[in-house]
Amino acid sequence: AQSVSQHNHHVILSEAASLELGCNYSYGGTVNLFWYVQYPGQHLQLLLKYFSGDPLVKGIKGFEAEFIKSKFSFNLRKPSVQWSDTAEYFCAVNVGNTDKLIFGTGTRLQVFP
Amino acid sequence: GAVVSQHPSWVICKSGTSVKIECRSLDFQATTMFWYRQFPKQSLMLMATSNEGSKATYEQGVEKDKFLINHASLTLSTLTVTSAHPEDSSFYICSALPDRGGYTFGSGTRLTVV
Repeated sequence: AQSVSQHNHHVILSEAASLELGCNYSYGGTVNLFWYVQYPGQHLQLLLKYFSGDPLVKGIKGFEAEFIKSKFSFNLRKPSVQWSDTAEYFCAVNVGNTDKLIFGTGTRLQVFP
Repeated sequence: GAVVSQHPSWVICKSGTSVKIECRSLDFQATTMFWYRQFPKQSLMLMATSNEGSKATYEQGVEKDKFLINHASLTLSTLTVTSAHPEDSSFYICSALPDRGGYTFGSGTRLTVV
């Protein structure tokens, strides 16, 4: 079965630090990849997505992610985090032949001023 | 953009009763909707895929008799938690795919069974 792994469960950073959150998936075929953010008490918001083309994807709020097919990875990055980035981040994968979206376990990011 | 409205946002019910959660697509038609369950500080677990006009497709380990899904129209899917018990307390989220641009999520329903 398809699965999505996020190895960083809890990340604590100071403002202006750089961020990289790992995401790996297990599926050998065509995939669509997503990163979602969930701020405290709010619903999921799309940060960015990859369907095809340039493997380096830029999203909202300064986030970007790189799809590396050979590594089955789609890591999320931000060069300089802000206190307002404190949230839960979810990687998700949609396998090409279905519409189901499978989520990773999530990474809780805390940014301190 | 495409909006999914989920209602109620929270509900408290007594053990043994049933609770219905509604998910509506407000500005698009959704032949398929998805229902997720999220435990505190954990990820979203896909429970089932709701298909308009036909039976829902449940993920492995999800009791279809416990979680009844009805998708009677192109804009409404409902999840009914039957004979609820405290272990059913959770955050339930619906989702739809308005176009290939990406999924849109409801704001979720927090169910507490006492």
